[in-house]
Amino acid sequence: KQEVTQIPAALSVPEGENLVLNCSFTDSAIYNLQWFRQDPGKGLTSLLLIQSSQREQTSGRLNASLDKSSGRSTLYIAASQPGDSATYLCAVELYGGATNKLIFGTGTLLAVQP
Amino acid sequence: DAGVTQSPTHLIKTRGQQVTLRCSPKSGHDTVSWYQQALGQGPQFIFQYYEEEERQRGNFPDRFSGHQFPNYSSELNVNALLLGDSALYLCASSRAGTGNYEQYFGPGTRLTVT
Repeated sequence: KQEVTQIPAALSVPEGENLVLNCSFTDSAIYNLQWFRQDPGKGLTSLLLIQSSQREQTSGRLNASLDKSSGRSTLYIAASQPGDSATYLCAVELYGGATNKLIFGTGTLLAVQP
Repeated sequence: DAGVTQSPTHLIKTRGQQVTLRCSPKSGHDTVSWYQQALGQGPQFIFQYYEEEERQRGNFPDRFSGHQFPNYSSELNVNALLLGDSALYLCASSRAGTGNYEQYFGPGTRLTVT
């Protein structure tokens, strides 16, 4: 059974710091991995999707890496800003089959202090 | 281009009642998935619809049922509501057969069962 774990559960940093969020998964047979942002009480905003054949994806100040063999992904946020404060969720899509169901971690709550 | 929309935004129901939640997928998408997110947890997969059929189901009882219409919109029905059904219900859409299963989420429906 695929399990997704995110560490740390919560993180508080001063504005301007670079930071890394971690995601691990138990079954390396994944189709892709997706990082999401969730603001309090809101839906999910897709940040980056890494397909299983890729090693990393970048969007602006965000960089996500994927190491399937070790079952790990990291989300790197450069020069953090107070507007980055949110919960960050990673999710894996299991390989194969007709459906693309996502298995989520419990998230990392990030607070960027001005 | 409208993204994923959900209605209603908030809903308060009493134990034992029935509820229907609605979702319209992003333009060009034909697959709709439903997730339940309890407070402080990651979303849990309920089921997915494609071509008006349920393709896969998560670990949820038969009280949870759904439907997909010819225009790809979807409904989630929950019967005999329990206090534990209180959660944020998220709808996600994607496009099958493209090799890119990036999922786009709606803003969610907050269901409170009293």
